[in-house]
Amino acid sequence: SAVISQKPSRDICQRGTSLTIQCQVDSQVTMMFWYRQQPGQSLTLIATANQGSEATYESGFVIDKFPISRPNLTFSTLTVSNMSPEDSSIYLCSVELAGSSYEQYFGPGTRLTVT
Amino acid sequence: SQELEQSPQSLIVQEGKNLTINCTSSKTLYGLYWYKQKYGEGLIFLMMLQKGGEEKSHEKITAKLDEKKQQSSLHITASQPSHAGIYLCGADRPPSPSGGYQKVTFGTGTKLQVIP
Repeated sequence: SAVISQKPSRDICQRGTSLTIQCQVDSQVTMMFWYRQQPGQSLTLIATANQGSEATYESGFVIDKFPISRPNLTFSTLTVSNMSPEDSSIYLCSVELAGSSYEQYFGPGTRLTVT
Repeated sequence: SQELEQSPQSLIVQEGKNLTINCTSSKTLYGLYWYKQKYGEGLIFLMMLQKGGEEKSHEKITAKLDEKKQQSSLHITASQPSHAGIYLCGADRPPSPSGGYQKVTFGTGTKLQVIP
């Protein structure tokens, strides 16, 4: 398994500002994912972040709004830019462990409230 | 795109009762994952199923993937208050031409409450 930590665990931000969420894994992983879970809804994949390449964004998500960095195999950041109340969500990072099972593990999430 | 439907949406059971949660896909499942989420927390990986007819168990939780690989069920035996939470199924996107898989789809979730 993998132990994943996220910072901050929660934040309250004003509209128009930006917040960078950090994701740290205790082992080297190739594939990292960022998800969003809006209140009362299921998870939606924002982007896939592989080390050494640009992040791949899902339909409806763009790099200008959600820039992602992946400087090494254990760390990634997601920035939520120019925030609006609609960005209030839980943001989760996830990693896939290579191997026969390809199990996917999730961080504890960052609860973001935009006022 | 692949869609996953879970049923029921919510479930309230008496402690000690058995229960089943279903996850149905509109397309063939290449990998099916079950997660548990407690309110406001991250996801806990429960099980992954890949082969048609596969069944896995962990403590009192058993998950199955049907032979056609379009439906999975999660069964909890003798439920306990610790089983309460939201159960999510997740599926791999069908392989790309390069052969890679990416996890992109989650079900709508089933909220489970267990009454002592």
